[in-house]
Amino acid sequence: DIQMTQSPSSLSASVGDRVTITCQASQDISNYLNWYQQKPGKAPKLLIYDASNLETGVPSRFSGSGSGTDFTFTISSLQPEDIATYYCQQYDNLPPTFGQGTKLEIK
Amino acid sequence: QVQLVQSGAEVKKPGASVKVSCKASGYTFTSYGISWVRQAPGQGLEWMGWISAYNGNTNYAQKLQGRVTMTTDTSTSTAYMELRSLRSDDTAVYYCARDLLAAADNWGQGTLVTVSS
Repeated sequence: DIQMTQSPSSLSASVGDRVTITCQASQDISNYLNWYQQKPGKAPKLLIYDASNLETGVPSRFSGSGSGTDFTFTISSLQPEDIATYYCQQYDNLPPTFGQGTKLEIK
Repeated sequence: QVQLVQSGAEVKKPGASVKVSCKASGYTFTSYGISWVRQAPGQGLEWMGWISAYNGNTNYAQKLQGRVTMTTDTSTSTAYMELRSLRSDDTAVYYCARDLLAAADNWGQGTLVTVSS
């Protein structure tokens, strides 16, 4: 199975800050990477697909980049409603695998 | 709008089976597949498997092979996930999601399955 390593595991930032999360795959996955947001007690929500494509209806402050093994997820200006856990997921090879998650808190 | 509505919470004893349903609406059911993902308390997301609603083809996580069965009923646009020989570490919230084995773009609300003696 492809291992997905996210960092950091947790992050505290202030409203308005630029926030960056990284995700590293254990092998080349091209751009077959998604980013999900999960708020407490809720189902995950797709934010970014194919590494850099914004899902319909998702605010433009969210963005993704990268290919191969190294990927980045960015919130350009953190808002209070962005408090959540974020997961990357590869789908290049079965089984699809998730990173361990990054818990984002407001400072 | 696309909706996936799951069945309610379950409490099961070790060794029992559970069957969770996921009723889809707002799209052509047979044009997509359904993935099942679970999340143990305080833990991350674990992919369990996928079923094509078009032809019923399945792909299961190796660790669940032999214990899990995913099916669909196209007449009611409903997907099912049955997990047998339940253990305490199967306690989790189980999610269905619309998926083409790429991005899971719409998710059910989750079903809590508690395994306890």
